Amino acid sequence: AQSVTQPDIHITVSEGASLELRCNYSYGATPYLFWYVQSPGQGLQLLLKYFSGDTLVQGIKGFEAEFKRSQSSFNLRKPSVHWSDAAEYFCAVVPYTSGTYKYIFGTGTRLKVLA
Amino acid sequence: DAGVIQSPRHEVTEMGQEVTLRCKPISGHNSLFWYRQTMMRGLELLIYFNNNVPIDDSGMPEDRFSAKMPNASFSTLKIQPSEPRDSAVYFCASSLGQGRNTIYFGEGSWLTVV
Repeated sequence: AQSVTQPDIHITVSEGASLELRCNYSYGATPYLFWYVQSPGQGLQLLLKYFSGDTLVQGIKGFEAEFKRSQSSFNLRKPSVHWSDAAEYFCAVVPYTSGTYKYIFGTGTRLKVLA
Repeated sequence: DAGVIQSPRHEVTEMGQEVTLRCKPISGHNSLFWYRQTMMRGLELLIYFNNNVPIDDSGMPEDRFSAKMPNASFSTLKIQPSEPRDSAVYFCASSLGQGRNTIYFGEGSWLTVV
């Protein structure tokens, strides 16, 4: 069965430091891949997505993610974190051979930013 | 443009009462999703509709839960009777088409059953 793993439940970084959030998926082919962010009390907002082509994708708010087929990973990165980036981040996959096109979300990584 | 609109934003109800959550998707979107978010289970897809037709309801936890989409601009999720373990944030989301299209989330309905 398809699955998404976000191994880090919590991450704390200092403002200005670099950030990498990990995401691994289990699927026989390349699925559609997404990163969403959820601020406290809010719904989820799309940061970026990957379908095909260039394996490094740029998103909003200065985020980028790199798809690595050999590692079945789609890690999210930001070179310099801002205090406003404190939120929960969700990786999601949509296996494109799935007849139901279900988004499969990871369990999320909660980011804390120290001033 | 208005995003996905959910109501109520917050509801506290007593065990055994009926709860109805409402959703207005983004105009023009033809896929609608209901998710439940809890600390223990994360984000779970309950049901999704395409062109007002339920496509996959395998995530609906039990018969106490039901969802309808009578037209393209409105959906409800009903819990009857409610139980304390139903306490969660319920999100509605919509997208244009299926598959790789971005889904847009509402701000959620925070349900507490006491």
